Amino acid sequence: DAGVTQSPTHLIKTRGQQVTLRCSPKSGHDTVSWYQQALGQGPQFIFQYYEEEERQRGNFPDRFSGHQFPNYSSELNVNALLLGDSALYLCASSFRTSGRETQYFGPGTRLLVL
Amino acid sequence: KQEVTQIPAALSVPEGENLVLNCSFTDSAIYNLQWFRQDPGKGLTSLLLIQSSQREQTSGRLNASLDKSSGRSTLYIAASQPGDSATYLCAVSLYGGATNKLIFGTGTLLAVQP
Repeated sequence: DAGVTQSPTHLIKTRGQQVTLRCSPKSGHDTVSWYQQALGQGPQFIFQYYEEEERQRGNFPDRFSGHQFPNYSSELNVNALLLGDSALYLCASSFRTSGRETQYFGPGTRLLVL
Repeated sequence: KQEVTQIPAALSVPEGENLVLNCSFTDSAIYNLQWFRQDPGKGLTSLLLIQSSQREQTSGRLNASLDKSSGRSTLYIAASQPGDSATYLCAVSLYGGATNKLIFGTGTLLAVQP
């Protein structure tokens, strides 16, 4: 049973460019959350998708957008990249949005903005 | 606004020692609390999940306690091993709503010396 997978593993972009990160949830999971983890910090919640809709959003600008597909996989898009967007981007999946469920995290995508 | 703090930020112990990691949170209205392990540059692995109605959870050499009224949780690691070296993160899930958004602390970097 494959866990949460993310692609690509690493990415280098320049300021002003756009990037798309991808996530496939664990089998049987229907909810995907995205987190940004800057170096030396804990992950920060970006947003969560359930039933192909954004259910809740953290304190991130509109440059950060997402999508969930009918197969529950998800994309995170970041436009007009800034140096401060350099971070590890983590995807987490769970079944429904119940707080009772353990969230499973993927290995992350390391984004470097030059 | 919920804030999660972890003390100490870093800890170095000799192999075989028992140790305690601390986590505190400012708002006691949590749904649950999770402890995660993160190896360098990797994703998060869930160690223990404590529901708000529970006082503790155990898994092997790990024991996590929760005191909602005081806003504290501890992770106890018995007989530490070099393989336990990693960053340990605690995260709380807020009560209410249809989301399991996690709010993380900044982590404790643990080094177990052989």
